[in-house]
Amino acid sequence: DTEVTQTPKHLVMGMTNKKSLKCEQHMGHRAMYWYKQKAKKPPELMFVYSYEKLSINESVPSRFSPECPNSSLLNLHLHALQPEDSALYLCASSQVAGESNQPQHFGDGTRLSIL
Amino acid sequence: GENVEQHPSTLSVQEGDSAVIKCTYSDSASNYFPWYKQELGKGPQLIIDIRSNVGEKKDQRIAVTLNKTAKHFSLHITETQPEDSAVYFCAAYKGGRALTFGSGTRLQVQP
Repeated sequence: DTEVTQTPKHLVMGMTNKKSLKCEQHMGHRAMYWYKQKAKKPPELMFVYSYEKLSINESVPSRFSPECPNSSLLNLHLHALQPEDSALYLCASSQVAGESNQPQHFGDGTRLSIL
Repeated sequence: GENVEQHPSTLSVQEGDSAVIKCTYSDSASNYFPWYKQELGKGPQLIIDIRSNVGEKKDQRIAVTLNKTAKHFSLHITETQPEDSAVYFCAAYKGGRALTFGSGTRLQVQP
């Protein structure tokens, strides 16, 4: 079982809906990440949080809004998404961001479908 | 920025055979190289990693080798089993940014 827990596992939403993806880790990690993965492609980085502060935003559209309420939790708020945003959204964590040699541990993702 | 190339894109082997997946990276400053296994419906699972001060690392049937001069690293799986069937991703990291992934290799182990 993964030590990074993501909910929900599946989400179907319309383009006008607002929803949130949640991620939780209890490994004491201080860096958390959101990735987007399309079918048959590698994960693509979206956001990095380090010590609960946003440190990297890979030019992600504003319809994706991340939030890190505390060191164990990471949310991704979704609003007015487009069909092309349908993908697997992965959360990961590591001990520290910006340092080398830090393994990232992934959750099993939320499969998002936009109607 | 870093660029990681991974080959082959698909690999089919008979159960019990060995499988080798190769990656090259472009940035000589990269110093950490993990390998992930992703099964259908799951997230990537870290299976082995290697740091730039080490040339080889083994964990049971899995080994990774690193050639810093040539900027190559490879995953070796011996005595393959059907449960090894999955997509494997290599990645490179140099600090300051997140991982740069290869494009993935779909490994199929035929019973």
